[in-house]
Amino acid sequence: AQSVTQLGSHVSVSEGALVLLRCNYSSSVPPYLFWYVQYPNQGLQLLLKYTSAATLVKGINGFEAEFKKSETSFHLTKPSAHMSDAAEYFCAVSDRYGTSYDKVIFGPGTSLSVIP
Amino acid sequence: EAGVTQFPSHSVIEKGQTVTLRCDPISGHDNLYWYRRVMGKEIKFLLHFVKESKQDESGMPNNRFLAERTGGTYSTLKVQPAELEDSGVYFCASSQTGGQVNYGYTFGSGTRLTVV
Repeated sequence: AQSVTQLGSHVSVSEGALVLLRCNYSSSVPPYLFWYVQYPNQGLQLLLKYTSAATLVKGINGFEAEFKKSETSFHLTKPSAHMSDAAEYFCAVSDRYGTSYDKVIFGPGTSLSVIP
Repeated sequence: EAGVTQFPSHSVIEKGQTVTLRCDPISGHDNLYWYRRVMGKEIKFLLHFVKESKQDESGMPNNRFLAERTGGTYSTLKVQPAELEDSGVYFCASSQTGGQVNYGYTFGSGTRLTVV
């Protein structure tokens, strides 16, 4: 069964510093990969997705993620944190094939705090 | 385009009572999904509708939960009778026809359910 792990349930960075949120997945076949963000009192919003094109995926708000098959990782980065980036971030995975291909498996989430 | 709408946004009920959550997907989206996040845990898949049919309900926790999507438009999720462990945030998502998840779901803002 697929699973997603996110290292660090809480990450704090200073404003202007690099943001790095880690995600590793387990799957025998490279899956679809996603990062979602949940801002306070809002729903889940898709940040970016990997679906087999370029391994470096650019998303909204200056975020990007790189798919590394050898490391089964899909870490999320942003060069310079902004106060408005404070939110909870979820890495997610889904199968490419089979009857469960449209079921998304979420990681436990990482809460990002940005310190002024 | 209107997004996925969920209501109520918050609900506080007593143990043993009944609660009905509603989700209005994006118009034209045949796929509708329910997920929930129990406090401190991962976001878990509950079920998937394609139009009015249940495609996959493998994530429904027990028979106290009943989901419907009459007419293939909005969906309701009823919990009867509610238990303390049902507390959490219930998310709804929708996607397009043939809606492979690689498009990424559109999520609603969620309903925060508290059972006391």
